[in-house]
Amino acid sequence: GAGVSQSPSNKVTEKGKDVELRCDPISGHTALYWYRQSLGQGLEFLIYFQGNSAPDKSGLPSDRFSAERTGGSVSTLTIQRTQQEDSAVYLCASSRPLGEQFFGPGTRLTVL
Amino acid sequence: GENVEQHPSTLSVQEGDSAVIKCTYSDSASNYFPWYKQELGKGPQLIIDIRSNVGEKKDQRIAVTLNKTAKHFSLHITETQPEDSAVYFCAGENYGGSQGNLIFGKGTKLSVKP
Repeated sequence: GAGVSQSPSNKVTEKGKDVELRCDPISGHTALYWYRQSLGQGLEFLIYFQGNSAPDKSGLPSDRFSAERTGGSVSTLTIQRTQQEDSAVYLCASSRPLGEQFFGPGTRLTVL
Repeated sequence: GENVEQHPSTLSVQEGDSAVIKCTYSDSASNYFPWYKQELGKGPQLIIDIRSNVGEKKDQRIAVTLNKTAKHFSLHITETQPEDSAVYFCAGENYGGSQGNLIFGKGTKLSVKP
């Protein structure tokens, strides 16, 4: 497909476990974003990749959160030692340097 | 960097009525203002956008107006239908700040009652 894809669509994990969330951006988009959306809330910025520049990590809530983008394409968001407050929908988006961001369907994370 | 404020946070209208959502922004250099619609269980999707060289743009029942002097822009939905029920986000272009190329408002939950 031509859109942003994310996997898994749903993830249930136990408190203390690590999880990895994957994002496949639109081909050719140099910018990639991760957002977190708690139930009924807005888009909380987490991290932003632009080309080969150092990522903007200013939104990561703690050092348990990290992300990487391999080869300027696929990105993985890793949450270590998950806590119940990490339960949320994690959205990925990609874009050209300017203009519209295209969002994926999100990964719903539930930490028991 | 840009700062975007969005009001109201929730809006309930009767089917057939109009709905208006307003946003203000801080960076006068911003030139691009998209609106996104997020349906339950899905990611946000662009529904309309406006650039600063126009004051109004329409697409069927939705329209966006932009006032660059006052630094605010609005989304107007006419003849609302139940399928318009969703969360709507405005955004402003972000020059030179962190967090990427767009700064989003906090969203408006629109409910259209049949």
